[in-house]
Amino acid sequence: AQSVTQLGSHVSVSEGALVLLRCNYSSSVPPYLFWYVQYPNQGLQLLLKYTSAATLVKGINGFEAEFKKSETSFHLTKPSAHMSDAAEYFCAVSPLTGTASKLTFGTGTRLQVTL
Amino acid sequence: NAGVTQTPKFQVLKTGQSMTLQCAQDMNHEYMSWYRQDPGMGLRLIHYSVGAGITDQGEVPNGYNVSRSTTEDFPLRLLSAAPSQTSVYFCASSYGTGRTDTQYFGPGTRLTVL
Repeated sequence: AQSVTQLGSHVSVSEGALVLLRCNYSSSVPPYLFWYVQYPNQGLQLLLKYTSAATLVKGINGFEAEFKKSETSFHLTKPSAHMSDAAEYFCAVSPLTGTASKLTFGTGTRLQVTL
Repeated sequence: NAGVTQTPKFQVLKTGQSMTLQCAQDMNHEYMSWYRQDPGMGLRLIHYSVGAGITDQGEVPNGYNVSRSTTEDFPLRLLSAAPSQTSVYFCASSYGTGRTDTQYFGPGTRLTVL
């Protein structure tokens, strides 16, 4: 079965610093991968998704992620953190067959941004 | 468009009580699903539906029932609430059932079972 592992349940960065949130996937073939963000007391919102068209994927709010097959990774980055980026971030993988809505989520990484 | 709406926002139940969590979407989405979110476990799929009249089980279906009589609505029923069902419940929908379709999430229902 496919799965994703998010390293680090909590990440703290200073405002203006690089944001790096890690996600590694487990799959026999390159999967479709997603990053979702959850702001406090809200539902999840799609940041970006990898659909095999390009390995570097740009998303909303200045985030991007690079699919690296050799490392089975799909890490999320942002060059300069803003206070408004404080949220919980989830990596998710789509099944190899069938329906996309059966996403498998990672355990999440809570991003704290400090002054 | 209101998007995906969920009611109630908060609910407290006693063990053994039943209730229905409501979910509706006004985007004419084909696909709808229910997840539960627990600390340190991410989101886990409970049930899903590929269209009106069609539902199927996800990863953690025990203790929950669903039905989909219309495209817009996808209620989740707890038959006999247990403390283990204390969680935050999210409804989501997507336009189609493609593996890259974006899912749109509702704001969630926070359920506590005493």
